[in-house]
Amino acid sequence: DAKTTQPTSMDCAEGRAANLPCNHSTISGNEYVYWYRQIHSQGPQYIIHGLKNNETNEMASLIITEDRKSSTLILPHATLRDTAVYYCIVRGYGGATNKLIFGTGTLLAVQP
Amino acid sequence: DAGVTQSPTHLIKTRGQQVTLRCSPKSGHDTVSWYQQALGQGPQFIFQYYEEEERQRGNFPDRFSGHQFPNYSSELNVNALLLGDSALYLCASSRPRDRGYEQYFGPGTRLTVT
Repeated sequence: DAKTTQPTSMDCAEGRAANLPCNHSTISGNEYVYWYRQIHSQGPQYIIHGLKNNETNEMASLIITEDRKSSTLILPHATLRDTAVYYCIVRGYGGATNKLIFGTGTLLAVQP
Repeated sequence: DAGVTQSPTHLIKTRGQQVTLRCSPKSGHDTVSWYQQALGQGPQFIFQYYEEEERQRGNFPDRFSGHQFPNYSSELNVNALLLGDSALYLCASSRPRDRGYEQYFGPGTRLTVT
């Protein structure tokens, strides 16, 4: 699985969009980009995933560059409850196992 | 619909002892993975169980073992506890044939080894 690089921490004002970047320059053609977040003292929570097209769900949007070497998770209207550590993970798709390899993630602090 | 549940919530053990942690997967899920999360670090994959067999294992010693029952619930056993085993232990369930293979995590068991 390819390695990812994320900033250690970011701040965002409440109500504004939070844009969290992730570099994955060694991603291979069959690997997907997944995002999870972990609110303090809770288990990680799945947010979104994508291959090469931009994706949107009720929680967030995922923008993947055309060369797939980087991506951005967008929380359109951040709230205080979005304060968490956000993990960008690159993983193959399919097969009998689906382990996740977590890095140290980005601590997003949403400020009132 | 209950999500992933884990027990106990907290546990304190002494070095050299053995511990068993339990996990019940989300309804409809048949695959259980275990992760260890040390303070300030991301979760690290321990192993995964599917059809009552260990399918993949991370870089953890044999002191870490597991089991999956016919009802898909799972146990994580750690023998000869070390101080370094103090961590949050997370269980995640999934159903591989689901689109996305996303994993659903439980709240974790906080293990403290003294």
